[in-house]
Amino acid sequence: GENVEQHPSTLSVQEGDSAVIKCTYSDSASNYFPWYKQELGKGPQLIIDIRSNVGEKKDQRIAVTLNKTAKHFSLHITETQPEDSAVYFCAASMNFGNEKLTFGTGTRLTIIP
Amino acid sequence: KAGVTQTPRYLIKTRGQQVTLSCSPISGHRSVSWYQQTPGQGLQFLFEYFSETQRNKGNFPGRFSGRQFSNSRSEMNVSTLELGDSALYLCASSQRGGNTEAFFGQGTRLTVV
Repeated sequence: GENVEQHPSTLSVQEGDSAVIKCTYSDSASNYFPWYKQELGKGPQLIIDIRSNVGEKKDQRIAVTLNKTAKHFSLHITETQPEDSAVYFCAASMNFGNEKLTFGTGTRLTIIP
Repeated sequence: KAGVTQTPRYLIKTRGQQVTLSCSPISGHRSVSWYQQTPGQGLQFLFEYFSETQRNKGNFPGRFSGRQFSNSRSEMNVSTLELGDSALYLCASSQRGGNTEAFFGQGTRLTVV
C-alpha cells in the first residue's frame, strides 16, 4: 500500500521567516496531495491541496510543490506568524477503488515571536 | 454551511464495553471516512462509506465496524473495547471521496479504562 514519509518532525522558525515541510510517497498511482493543519483540541483543517497534473499551487502565504518523478511534495509557508504554530500533516490518495488518505507522521511547527 | 459534526466529543468507557460514535457530514457530501489518531500510530484509515456502501476498509480488527444512512450520516461502532482503542476518532466528509477535498470534524476523544 501507499506509504508517506514526512520531515522534519519538529520545526522552529523565527516569526517572519519561511518554513518548509517535505513529504515523499511510494505509490505512483497517488494523484491527490492535501495538506492539513491541526491545532490543539481540533480536527485537521485542509489548508491547501495539489493534484498530480499540477506542479505548483499558491494561496497567499502558503504554497505547495509537487515533483511526480521524484515522488515528493513540499509545503512552503512564507512570512510566518504566531498563528501558524500547529501540527501539519501531508497526505496522499488515489482514486479507483482506493478512496482513502494516507497521512504522513506530522510536523510540529513552532513560530518564535 | 455547517461543517462536519461529530458526537459525542468525549467518551469514557470500560474495557469490554462497546461504543457508537456518530458523524454528520457537510450537506451534499456523500462520502464519509473514519480515521483513528493516536500519538504512536498517527492518523490511520478505518473505513470509507459512499452512498451507504463501504468502499474501503483499513487494517483494523473486525471489532471496528461502521455504517452509513440514506442521509449520509455515519456511525462507527467498536465492540469489546481494549485499552489500546483509546484515541481521537475523526470523521471526514467529501463529495465523492478519492481525490476530492475532505473536511474533518472535531473528533471524538475515546478513553478506555
